[in-house]
Amino acid sequence: AQTVTQSQPEMSVQEAETVTLSCTYDTSESDYYLFWYKQPPSRQMILVIRQEAYKQQNATENRFSVNFQKAAKSFSLKISDSQLGDAAMYFCAYRSAWGGSNYKLTFGKGTLLTVNP
Amino acid sequence: DGGITQSPKYLFRKEGQNVTLSCEQNLNHDAMYWYRQDPGQGLRLIYYSQIVNDFQKGDIAEGYSVSREKKESFPLTVTSAQKNPTAFYLCASSTSPGQGGNEQFFGPGTRLTVL
Repeated sequence: AQTVTQSQPEMSVQEAETVTLSCTYDTSESDYYLFWYKQPPSRQMILVIRQEAYKQQNATENRFSVNFQKAAKSFSLKISDSQLGDAAMYFCAYRSAWGGSNYKLTFGKGTLLTVNP
Repeated sequence: DGGITQSPKYLFRKEGQNVTLSCEQNLNHDAMYWYRQDPGQGLRLIYYSQIVNDFQKGDIAEGYSVSREKKESFPLTVTSAQKNPTAFYLCASSTSPGQGGNEQFFGPGTRLTVL
């Protein structure tokens, strides 16, 4: 079974600075998807960014980018120019690309990000 | 506006009672999901449905039941057999992964408290 580990329960960053959230995963599969979701205090889950494992290029969405290291099974999220609105719980998630389990998202336990003004 | 709605936002239940959480989507998605979130935990999958009239158990299905009679609706019943039902429940939907879809869209959630 796949597992997702977020080793940083809490992180903080100064407004306008850059922060990196860590995520590692364990899988024997070669094809899969990885996601970062954001959950602000409203508790609405919002997709931040996704990465297809077969793509070597790291995904980027505006101020958000990932460092995907497939061999190391690492998928970190970098937030540049942090804003107060980035304060939230961030979850890393894994989804298989094939087979009957390919509907399931496996989540890490989350990293609570605080942005200081 | 397309999206996912969940009701109620807050729900209180007495021990021994069954309760049903509503989830409706107008995104024309085939797949729907129920997750449970506890403090300090990520989301854990309760049930999912790939298509109408079909559903599969997730990782923590014991004490829960679902139905999928309509494409738009995927209600979750928390039965009295669920030993610790107090949690935040999230519903999600997606296009079928076989059709290239892989993003799950989430509803706003229901907070269930057992008194």
